[in-house]
Amino acid sequence: DQQVKQNSPSLSVQEGRISILNCDYTNSMFDYFLWYKKYPAEGPTFLISISSIKDKNEDGRFTVFLNKSAKHLSLHIVPSQPGDSAVYFCAAPQGGSEKLVFGKGMKLTVNP
Amino acid sequence: GEEVAQTPKHLVRGEGQKAKLYCAPIKGHSYVFWYQQVLKNEFKFLISFQNENVFDETGMPKERFSAKCLPNSPCSLEIQATKLEDSAVYFCASSQWGPNTEAFFGQGTRLTVV
Repeated sequence: DQQVKQNSPSLSVQEGRISILNCDYTNSMFDYFLWYKKYPAEGPTFLISISSIKDKNEDGRFTVFLNKSAKHLSLHIVPSQPGDSAVYFCAAPQGGSEKLVFGKGMKLTVNP
Repeated sequence: GEEVAQTPKHLVRGEGQKAKLYCAPIKGHSYVFWYQQVLKNEFKFLISFQNENVFDETGMPKERFSAKCLPNSPCSLEIQATKLEDSAVYFCASSQWGPNTEAFFGQGTRLTVV
């Protein structure tokens, strides 16, 4: 039973354009969401987070939007750069246990 | 230290052998987590610690897996009698107050059981 879903396994965009990565969740108790970026042979690196009391959080080129009624969040990267090419994971802490529940990831390729 | 240090980077074990993985969390972080990543993408939660106490072990296959976080020592994850299906990358992460703050991940230990 996947509580965090990233339904598209991959995305390819041109450098300078916007990348939009989507994530859906089923557990309405989730109140905090994180995006991690992962390069091959490295651990995930924290990118940006959002609390459920907000609908938007921005950090430089990265913006996360949260639509609680739709149980949907998205990560926008603009402008996209070749160095952004990585696998991106959406995650949410499971209340009470503190463990992170991850989506299956989406591979982003930014072409020069 | 300022990063989560995992050792070894790679570990090869024959089926039935023991495997022991180590993790030094970031100093000052109270929470330590172990995750198993199989088939490149899916992260499976194994166990978490709050300081040296087990916080949540619901993901641990208890017959063969055990873990500890003792004071003044790296945390460890031990697999007795490894099976082929244990082949995975094992990630350790630490956070200061729990995952509603960011968790910092180590580079992972790739375990290959042959």
